[in-house]
Amino acid sequence: DTGVSQDPRHKITKRGQNVTFRCDPISEHNRLYWYRQTLGQGPEFLTYFQNEAQLEKSRLLSDRFSAERPKGSFSTLEIQRTEQGDSAMYLCASSRTGLSQETQYFGPGTRLLVL
Amino acid sequence: AQSVTQLGSHVSVSEGALVLLRCNYSSSVPPYLFWYVQYPNQGLQLLLKYTTGATLVKGINGFEAEFKKSETSFHLTKPSAHMSDAAEYFCAVSEIAEYGNKLVFGAGTILRVKS
Repeated sequence: DTGVSQDPRHKITKRGQNVTFRCDPISEHNRLYWYRQTLGQGPEFLTYFQNEAQLEKSRLLSDRFSAERPKGSFSTLEIQRTEQGDSAMYLCASSRTGLSQETQYFGPGTRLLVL
Repeated sequence: AQSVTQLGSHVSVSEGALVLLRCNYSSSVPPYLFWYVQYPNQGLQLLLKYTTGATLVKGINGFEAEFKKSETSFHLTKPSAHMSDAAEYFCAVSEIAEYGNKLVFGAGTILRVKS
């Protein structure tokens, strides 16, 4: 299997602009997760998809954040009206159901800097 | 609610010395436990995981961890450190839920290996 890929790897934007990130999971992985990692911290869960259905969202995911997985394959995470506090690494992970020992495989992340 | 505590944000060892990274968790149900490693500006790579069965788990690159239920611990060890082990290590816990198994991470431990 090819791994989880994320695009772009780095994004610099000005406060107030909208940004969109893409995640391509491992093929045949039906679960997809988004996490956010700020400097010096561990990743924090943002949201989760099973196939195309978004089944859980963290309270960290404000109204400015939206995620989609339209065909149950790749996913996008959009941040509207970015704020400096949105600066972080955004990580995507995928896994496959049917296995009791579900393992999440992470992509390389998208590092966002909001000026 | 689940939580993970990693004792020591920074650990420094000499090359060839024992590596011990500490992780304690809290969970209301039997947990699944994971150790991930993160190199600078990269995503997370799975080192090892505990689900059920044998409490001593062996992972990649010579690492192993032991699940101790009575101590709610899952410490990571490696008998002999190598320079390439220098990275940040994250312990994580998940609960099996009907809709996805989100991970809860500790704050991470940065391992430094001295020559």
